[in-house]
Amino acid sequence: DTGVSQDPRHKITKRGQNVTFRCDPISEHNRLYWYRQTLGQGPEFLTYFQNEAQLEKSRLLSDRFSAERPKGSFSTLEIQRTEQGDSAMYLCASSLDVEGEKLFFGSGTQLSVL
Amino acid sequence: DQQVKQNSPSLSVQEGRISILNCDYTNSMFDYFLWYKKYPAEGPTFLISISSIKDKNEDGRFTVFLNKSAKHLSLHIVPSQPGDSAVYFCAARNRDDKIIFGKGTRLHILP
Repeated sequence: DTGVSQDPRHKITKRGQNVTFRCDPISEHNRLYWYRQTLGQGPEFLTYFQNEAQLEKSRLLSDRFSAERPKGSFSTLEIQRTEQGDSAMYLCASSLDVEGEKLFFGSGTQLSVL
Repeated sequence: DQQVKQNSPSLSVQEGRISILNCDYTNSMFDYFLWYKKYPAEGPTFLISISSIKDKNEDGRFTVFLNKSAKHLSLHIVPSQPGDSAVYFCAARNRDDKIIFGKGTRLHILP
């Protein structure tokens, strides 16, 4: 399977703990996006990378959130000192810059903060 | 501020009939408009797109219409099939390549 893969699929954590999610994009895709989705809402943009460069961060991304994409391959999204409001589905997507409108999504990581 | 709006949370259509999903936007700088389809427990999948310089794009049973003066686009599915039951997201791309999604419309295809 050469689609976008995300790990883990589910994460349950206690408030105040740190969590890290991983995304492996489609290998030839140079763009990588992180979105967050809550119940009844559409995906909300968090940040995106062109190769290893982080090009934009949403104001939704507080100082507790950090994303990296070392060497322009896989990406990690870390949330420090989790809060109950962080509970959501975190979606990763990748694309080629020449067809940047076609995002290929992974199945997401469902985070529950207790 | 919601730049991409889908005002119908759900829609039910008889199998074989036409499904029409609507979307409104506020930002005139969007250069591409897209529709994504989502099944439960999966990520959204790309369905069809249209450039802002066009007014219609067709792909099999799916056609997207763009009315720039009204800042409105619609997705037509004809004929509707049971496998079309899903949540459909309208989305738009900014010139800085950020893609913004609407809240989605849940489509139910009735037998």
